[in-house]
Amino acid sequence: NAGVTQTPKFQVLKTGQSMTLQCAQDMNHNSMYWYRQDPGMGLRLIYYSASEGTTDKGEVPNGYNVSRLNKREFSLRLESAAPSQTSVYFCASSSGTDTDTQYFGPGTRLTVL
Amino acid sequence: QKEVEQDPGPLSVPEGAIVSLNCTYSNSAFQYFMWYRQYSRKGPELLMYTYSSGNKEDGRFTAQVDKSSKYISLFIRDSQPSDSATYLCAKDGGTSYGKLTFGQGTILTVHP
Repeated sequence: NAGVTQTPKFQVLKTGQSMTLQCAQDMNHNSMYWYRQDPGMGLRLIYYSASEGTTDKGEVPNGYNVSRLNKREFSLRLESAAPSQTSVYFCASSSGTDTDTQYFGPGTRLTVL
Repeated sequence: QKEVEQDPGPLSVPEGAIVSLNCTYSNSAFQYFMWYRQYSRKGPELLMYTYSSGNKEDGRFTAQVDKSSKYISLFIRDSQPSDSATYLCAKDGGTSYGKLTFGQGTILTVHP
């Protein structure tokens, strides 16, 4: 039982390049989330998926797209990376019920030059 | 104004001290608060949660809600070096769906 896994762990991009961050969970959770964490800003929600087949914008969705590929997998895509997207990205999942504990992955450290 | 505000610290205390970590919130629509702990270069993990109506104790940790002043607190008794981490408070949006709003996080160091 690996919980929430994320790939890659580290990535360096040049401005304008694209990439996809992958996330998978093996807890049979309905809901999945993508956050970014910046110094002094805490965790900010980028996109979330309440259930398979649905996605919604969070607090900071601009510059990102997501795909809920199936119940296990939720990917985050940067179409044209910008230096402002340098951050640590966390994926999380939860069962989607009351007092909904979110379980986080180990994070992806992304630098955009 | 952010919906959840948290003093980022850093906070440095000696081993054995009582630690008080605090958050304020502006939107009164919520059902529960959560405290997450995040070790360096790791993902956050749930430490404890409390419903809007009261306090909760779990070992050395106590979570407290003061609705009149819109203040939530986490107390750590007999702090240990292993408690050194970033502590994040979070509140739900007042619906049954678990979309959370996080504070900025407080960096805590407990030195031997």
